[in-house]
Amino acid sequence: RKEVEQDPGPFNVPEGATVAFNCTYSNSASQSFFWYRQDCRKEPKLLMSVYSSGNEDGRFTAQLNRASQYISLLIRDSKLSDSATYLCVVNNQGGKLIFGQGTELSVKP
Amino acid sequence: EADIYQTPRYLVIGTGKKITLECSQTMGHDKMYWYQQDPGMELHLIHYSYGVNSTEKGDLSSESTVSRIRTEHFPLTLESARPSHTSQYLCASSLGASGRGSETQYFGPGTRLLVL
Repeated sequence: RKEVEQDPGPFNVPEGATVAFNCTYSNSASQSFFWYRQDCRKEPKLLMSVYSSGNEDGRFTAQLNRASQYISLLIRDSKLSDSATYLCVVNNQGGKLIFGQGTELSVKP
Repeated sequence: EADIYQTPRYLVIGTGKKITLECSQTMGHDKMYWYQQDPGMELHLIHYSYGVNSTEKGDLSSESTVSRIRTEHFPLTLESARPSHTSQYLCASSLGASGRGSETQYFGPGTRLLVL
């Protein structure tokens, strides 16, 4: 079993749609969680950090359920520019970050 | 924008050549990392460093080596490149101290390596 598992993609949605990505992690001792965004052939960039039960940043909402070892990312009012691969990232006790395989989002006009 | 740089951005080289991929950051970060990523696949950690003169192998076995003589510089070397080394190599850094935000990793633009 992979340490971090994400919904398989791709997600194809129309502009304005609300889309949610799910992620599960196996290490119950993990304390820090992140969502990164990676555009095609580019480097990953931090989208949100998730330190408590969740947080919101504009159209983006991340939620954390420690009991179920589950993280989600909700994107409201999708824009064409949201098209990218979204990476769920979890720290392990060794201080390293473990990256999920990513979920591809394609927002269509 | 993160102040972390990688050179070269693209490299096409023949089998058997020695190559060094450069990575530098000007943020004063203690921790630095090298990842390997094939198209459409996840990132795999191949090397990391928690400070000067500290280097560790990552989760994915790699024939490359790294050094950390200066805080800001973390080069990766392949002594003899092979076609199986063809991939994208991403360098990252993080603050390294404790507390919120200290684990956030900032990535360089990557080096795309093609070994013929």
